[in-house]
Amino acid sequence: GQNIDQPTEMTATEGAIVQINCTYQTSGFNGLFWYQQHAGEAPTFLSYNVLDGLEEKGRFSSFLSRSKGYSYLLLKELQMKDSASYLCAIMNSGYSTLTFGKGTMLLVSP
Amino acid sequence: EAGVAQSPRYKIIEKRQSVAFWCNPISGHATLYWYQQILGQGPKLLIQFQNNGVVDDSQLPKDRFSAERLKGVDSTLKIQPAKLEDSAVYLCASSPARLAGGGDTQYFGPGTRLTVL
Repeated sequence: GQNIDQPTEMTATEGAIVQINCTYQTSGFNGLFWYQQHAGEAPTFLSYNVLDGLEEKGRFSSFLSRSKGYSYLLLKELQMKDSASYLCAIMNSGYSTLTFGKGTMLLVSP
Repeated sequence: EAGVAQSPRYKIIEKRQSVAFWCNPISGHATLYWYQQILGQGPKLLIQFQNNGVVDDSQLPKDRFSAERLKGVDSTLKIQPAKLEDSAVYLCASSPARLAGGGDTQYFGPGTRLTVL
C-alpha cells in the first residue's frame, strides 16, 4: 500500500519563498507528481519527478529523493494567485494509477 | 486543444436516489480515470479504463457504483442508490497512455459536485 504525508496548511507572504514537503511510503514507485488545485476547480499539473534531483520550471521547482521517500515543491516570488491546495501524488508501478496525499492548503497574504 | 469535459457540474439528490455523471476525455487519450474527492482530502481513484476495458476498479464500491466506457471514448459513472457519504466532487481525468504503466500525466476535468441530502 501507499502512505503519503504533507502538511495540512501553510501561510506565507507575497514575494516570499515557500517549501511544501511530502514524504511517502510505497511498495511500487513510478514517479511523483505535484498538482495545484484552486478552490472549486480541477487539479492542474505542476511537475513530475521520477529520478532523484531538482526539476525547475519557472517560479516552481520540485525535488525528489527516492531513497528517503521525500519530495518538496518550492514556490518562489509568491503571488496572491498561488493561494491554493498543493497535492502530492505517487504514481504506482503497474497500471500508472495515482495515489494522492490530502493536500497542503497554502495561504498567501499581502 | 479542448480539455476534459464533465457534466453536470452540480447535482443535489436525496439519499437512495440514483445519479449519473458523464465525462468526455481529451481527444485521442486512451486512458480515462474517475476519482472521488471528499472535502479536505485528495482525490481517490475509483476506476481506470484503458480504451474500453477496465484496468483497475479495486476501490470502486461495486454494490452501488458502476462505470462504463463502451466505445472507448466518453464514460459514465453511476451511483445507485446514493448514500449521504457519497457527497463529494467526482473528477474525471484522462492521459494519452496507450499501455498500462506508461506514466503519462493525467489531465483533470472540472468535476461534478454531488450533494446527497
